Amino acid sequence: AQRVTQPEKLLSVFKGAPVELKCNYSYSGSPELFWYVQYSRQRLQLLLRHISRESIKGFTADLNKGETSFHLKKPFAQEEDSAMYYCALSGATKLIFGQGTELSVKP
Amino acid sequence: DGGITQSPKYLFRKEGQNVTLSCEQNLNHDAMYWYRQDPGQGLRLIYYSQIVNDFQKGDIAEGYSVSREKKESFPLTVTSAQKNPTAFYLCASSIVLAGGTNTGELFFGEGSRLTVL
Repeated sequence: AQRVTQPEKLLSVFKGAPVELKCNYSYSGSPELFWYVQYSRQRLQLLLRHISRESIKGFTADLNKGETSFHLKKPFAQEEDSAMYYCALSGATKLIFGQGTELSVKP
Repeated sequence: DGGITQSPKYLFRKEGQNVTLSCEQNLNHDAMYWYRQDPGQGLRLIYYSQIVNDFQKGDIAEGYSVSREKKESFPLTVTSAQKNPTAFYLCASSIVLAGGTNTGELFFGEGSRLTVL
């Protein structure tokens, strides 16, 4: 079965601290994984995808097939990073989302 | 302003009534999707459509219906059979690649919040 699990509902850190939002997946095949972000009063939007291997707004995510994980990391959190983050798995014709993690960065 | 437009933003419905949520896109995307967003449950797929006049059930299609008569429009009807319809509904669209797969990049609307009284 295709499934995405984000174990943390809420992650609270102080400004300048490292951040890691966890994502684990279940997929029988070669997965394509994504992170989406929803800032307050804004639309849900794509943050990054694993095939690009890029850093967006200081965030990176590495696909670990052995651990079936795609954790999102940032070395120094900023207050503007506070948002809802969703990990997603592409199942060819549709996107399967995790439960979401709310990141709160305190000053 | 290009993108996905959902209407209405807020909708109230009495129990037993059907209600239709509108979703229009001018991105010329072939695929369109309806998700339901509930706190702690993330986004759950209701229906999706890869091409006009064709659509597939998602994970929680019971109590919902859709149509795709035009490429740019994908309305969702929440029927009286939906047991817990109060939720935030998100519409999205994406490009379909030559092989029929999507790029994984979905473009979302601002959402419609439905409350059943």
